[in-house]
Amino acid sequence: DVKVTQSSRYLVKRTGEKVFLECVQDMDHENMFWYRQDPGLGLRLIYFSYDVKMKEKGDIPEGYSVSREKKERFSLILESASTNQTSMYLCASSSPGTVGETQYFGPGTRLLVL
Amino acid sequence: AQTVTQSQPEMSVQEAETVTLSCTYDTSENNYYLFWYKQPPSRQMILVIRQEAYKQQNATENRFSVNFQKAAKSFSLKISDSQLGDTAMYFCAFMKGTNFGNEKLTFGTGTRLTIIP
Repeated sequence: DVKVTQSSRYLVKRTGEKVFLECVQDMDHENMFWYRQDPGLGLRLIYFSYDVKMKEKGDIPEGYSVSREKKERFSLILESASTNQTSMYLCASSSPGTVGETQYFGPGTRLLVL
Repeated sequence: AQTVTQSQPEMSVQEAETVTLSCTYDTSENNYYLFWYKQPPSRQMILVIRQEAYKQQNATENRFSVNFQKAAKSFSLKISDSQLGDTAMYFCAFMKGTNFGNEKLTFGTGTRLTIIP
């Protein structure tokens, strides 16, 4: 069974803190994605990665960075958290080579920045 | 750039009834894929149904079917015999088609569907 896990379901951080959100998939997928979900805005792509050590900016990369040192793990980093980064963060993975491939999502991390 | 529009922020329907969720999109691509994803309350987002743009036949998955109108750039989801477990946020999404995959999803803003017992 396909599985994408995220390190925390809920997280509370202070403004200015460095925040790490971790995502792990056990499907040997090459592609991994980070989205943020906000009411009325849907899901917006922050960063994605097609392979280990590769990363590409999505639609809203400002204030974020990512790390992919191993195939199964994709980390989202908030270098200095701000209140406008309070949101739900979703990780997803997919397997390339199949055109129009399905993305599999993790349960999400709800981040509150105070 | 592609855009996906879901004009119904919220909908509700009685259990066992049929409901249709609307989605329109804008693209200059000819080869693409359309998806409906479901996000139940406090649970993971899952794929409901997928449509390849080059296929004229509308996709179906059990009680879920789509009405794909390519010329009108419309992609609605019909849920027949709705069940309480269908209560969820539904997202319409677009993916550009290429020969090698690795394309991004563009999501709509979602429709919150509530099935009333």
